[in-house]
Amino acid sequence: DTGVSQNPRHKITKRGQNVTFRCDPISEHNRLYWYRQTLGQGPEFLTYFQNEAQLEKSRLLSDRFSAERPKGSFSTLEIQRTEQGDSAMYLCASSPPGLGTKIDLGNTIYFGEGSWLTVV
Amino acid sequence: EDQVTQSPEALRLQEGESSSLNCSYTVSGLRGLFWYRQDPGKGPEFLFTLYSAGEEKEKERLKATLTKKESFLHITAPKPEDSATYLCAVRNTDKLIFGTGTRLQVFP
Repeated sequence: DTGVSQNPRHKITKRGQNVTFRCDPISEHNRLYWYRQTLGQGPEFLTYFQNEAQLEKSRLLSDRFSAERPKGSFSTLEIQRTEQGDSAMYLCASSPPGLGTKIDLGNTIYFGEGSWLTVV
Repeated sequence: EDQVTQSPEALRLQEGESSSLNCSYTVSGLRGLFWYRQDPGKGPEFLFTLYSAGEEKEKERLKATLTKKESFLHITAPKPEDSATYLCAVRNTDKLIFGTGTRLQVFP
């Protein structure tokens, strides 16, 4: 396994259309994250899963955005009725389960190469 | 509110000219400070995690240090291939909060 895999890498869509991105995390990583990044900014947290449970959602995640992680493996991020403001790079990341010690407080989070969305 | 501020926004160095990048943070309950490197059009690549004040980590020409309020990424004798955006992030609970990054350009 070489890392977090995201598909598609690039997507151009017309305003109002729905788009879906897929993320395959590193094998045996039980935590999966979605972030959004625009030019000149750092990644912004969107949502987070531990196994199949969605544990936290940012207020940035409007009701047009939905994320799922069936069976605790891959995840999808769907954006409905896209708007030009949704144009960004959508990053997926994963991290391994905690070890129950102080060390796991800072478990490394590994990112994929991102999926670029352009809404025209 | 948890916050990360990075400076400078951009840095131009001559090859071999050492310098430091700064990351100031405020966070309730630090669970790790992370440095990532990001090349244009790609996802962030993990460099270091620091857990407590006084800790230092090194990798090739990079050295990261941590105090209670800030972290530094020292670049010694940089090469053109070190050109990238360097992102700092802090972890509270289970997510990372990023700064806006420092865009480093190293010229031969």
